[in-house]
Amino acid sequence: AIRMTQSPSSFSASTGDRVTITCRASQGISSYLAWYQQKPGKAPKLLIYAASTLQSGVPSRFSGSGSGTDFTLTISCLQSEDFATYYCQQYYSYPRAFGQGTKVEIK
Amino acid sequence: EVQLVESGGGLVQPGGSLRLSCAASGFTFSSYWMSWVRQAPGKGLEWVANIKQDGSEKYYVDSVKGRFTISRDNAKNSLYLQMNSLRAEDTAVYYCARDDVVPAAMNGWFDPWGQGTLVTVSS
Repeated sequence: AIRMTQSPSSFSASTGDRVTITCRASQGISSYLAWYQQKPGKAPKLLIYAASTLQSGVPSRFSGSGSGTDFTLTISCLQSEDFATYYCQQYYSYPRAFGQGTKVEIK
Repeated sequence: EVQLVESGGGLVQPGGSLRLSCAASGFTFSSYWMSWVRQAPGKGLEWVANIKQDGSEKYYVDSVKGRFTISRDNAKNSLYLQMNSLRAEDTAVYYCARDDVVPAAMNGWFDPWGQGTLVTVSS
């Protein structure tokens, strides 16, 4: 099974910051990667699929990049509503696997 | 508006059974793969199972194989998860999600998600 590892697990940032979250796959997954945002008590929300394609309705301050084993999610200018936990997910092979999550907290 | 509404969660004893349901609306249910994803309290996300449009293909995470069964009724726009031989480690919020499958991979991502239903396995 493919393992997904995110880093960091959590960090603090300020509104307006540029932040980057990293996701690494235990083997190559081409561009078969999605990113989700989850706020406390809510269901996850799809942000990006195919590693870099922004889901309709998602603000353009979110972007994704990478292929193979290394991927990044970047928020160009952090807004108050972006404080949440972010997950990557591979869909290259079964079982589908998520990273352990990265919690972005207010500094 | 696409909507997924789960029901059927609750408290069950170890070794017991529970059947979750997911009512879908706002899209052509029979045209999509569907999945169940769970999240243990304070933990991350874990994909549980998914099912093809016509129910002819099903996939499961190893930890639930032989205990859980995913099914669907396209006439009722409904997805189900029959959970047997439940264990404490099955305690989680269970989300129903629509699959967006890439044909080349026969695999994909989840969008959208329901609000979830809590399953608690405890004596």
